[in-house]
Order: sequence, then structure tokens, then C-alpha cells
Amino acid sequence: NAGVTQTPKFQVLKTGQSMTLQCAQDMNHEYMSWYRQDPGMGLRLIHYSVGAGITDQGEVPNGYNVSRSTTEDFPLRLLSAAPSQTSVYFCASSRGLAVQAGNTQYFGPGTRLTVL
Amino acid sequence: AQTVTQSQPEMSVQEAETVTLSCTYDTSESDYYLFWYKQPPSRQMILVIRQEAYKQQNATENRFSVNFQKAAKSFSLKISDSQLGDAAMYFCAYRSVFTQGGSEKLVFGKGMKLTVNP
Repeated sequence: NAGVTQTPKFQVLKTGQSMTLQCAQDMNHEYMSWYRQDPGMGLRLIHYSVGAGITDQGEVPNGYNVSRSTTEDFPLRLLSAAPSQTSVYFCASSRGLAVQAGNTQYFGPGTRLTVL
Repeated sequence: AQTVTQSQPEMSVQEAETVTLSCTYDTSESDYYLFWYKQPPSRQMILVIRQEAYKQQNATENRFSVNFQKAAKSFSLKISDSQLGDAAMYFCAYRSVFTQGGSEKLVFGKGMKLTVNP
């Protein structure tokens, strides 16, 4: 298994540009999430999905859209990039219901995004 | 809302020594999960250890163990026989058992940088 993969690893955008960060997992996980990591802030949840066709907002959703058309893929779209969105973005996935033991989140390698 | 606090931004330890990383959290829930994640310079988030709040026994994974004090809402990580490869950012994280919509949302602390000196 490749686990959770993210592309690209690095990206530089100009203010106002749009782009999509890709995330895929091959573990047949139902749950997928996007986090952003800023210095001194830890990781914060942007959006999450509990299965194909179902998404919801996290802590910092503004400026981002997501969709989940398949179990494997969970892309994150930046609609109009702003310098405040300069960050490292992590995708994560996990299996099963919250009540089940062993429900660990697996993280991708991250995407470093710079918005000029 | 739940919060996770890591009050020490940096620590250092000598190789082969033991170090303890502290974490406190705030919640009104009685059942939840707690995690320690390691983030080396590669930026990959790697699960180190997990603790279920309903379990009184502290979790252990090889050289890593936790001291879980539920009443004090404290969840510290002990690294024994520290190795150079342990140098990384360490994040404490909390997750509810029952969350809205079944979300696996993790609440993270701000992290702590661990340096291992040879």
C-alpha cells in the first residue's frame, strides 16, 4: 500500500490564483481530512469527509472547497489564493467508526504552499 | 470545545537518556482518545502512541510510554534510551469518541521541538 499520497509537494501561487491540492489513499478508509499547519499554531482542521459524497467544515474552512466523489480521493481546492493561506497542508485518513478501537489517522507527506 | 496545551516549546536530551514531554488538555467529555504524533524534518506526521481514556493502563510502545492522568487531564510522553532519530517535533492530540457526523477530527497542541544531543 502507498498509504496517503499528496501532490504536489511544493507549490507557489500568486494572489488570486486557484489550484487543487490532491490527496489519495489506497487503504479503503472512509474518513479523510485536510489540515493546515502554521508555525506556532499546531494543525488545524479545514474540511473533512465521512465517506464518498459527504463532506463538512472543520475549524478553518473559509477560502477552501472540497468534494469526495470516490472513497480514494479527497481534493482540496483553493478558490482565490491569499497570502494568509501560505502554509503546509496535510491530508489524513482513517478507517471505521469513532467507537471502534484502532481508529488511527494516517497522514500524507504534506504540501508546502506559498502564496505571493 | 476541547483544547490541547503543550507548554514547553523546546526540549533537549542527551542520547541514551530519558526525556518526558508534557501535554495537558481540557474537555468535558468522559471518553476520548489521546495521541502523540512525531514530525521529523521530512514533515511526515507519524503516530507514536495512542491512549484510550477508558483504559486505566498506560500505553506503551517499545521505548515510548505515556503517563495518563485522567483526573488531572494530563498526558505526558516518556522516551527512554533516546536516539538521534527521535529528534523531531512532537504533537499531542485529542479526539472525541463521539463527534458530530462521525468526524475523526483531531485537536492538536502547538507542538514541541525535541533535540537529541550525541
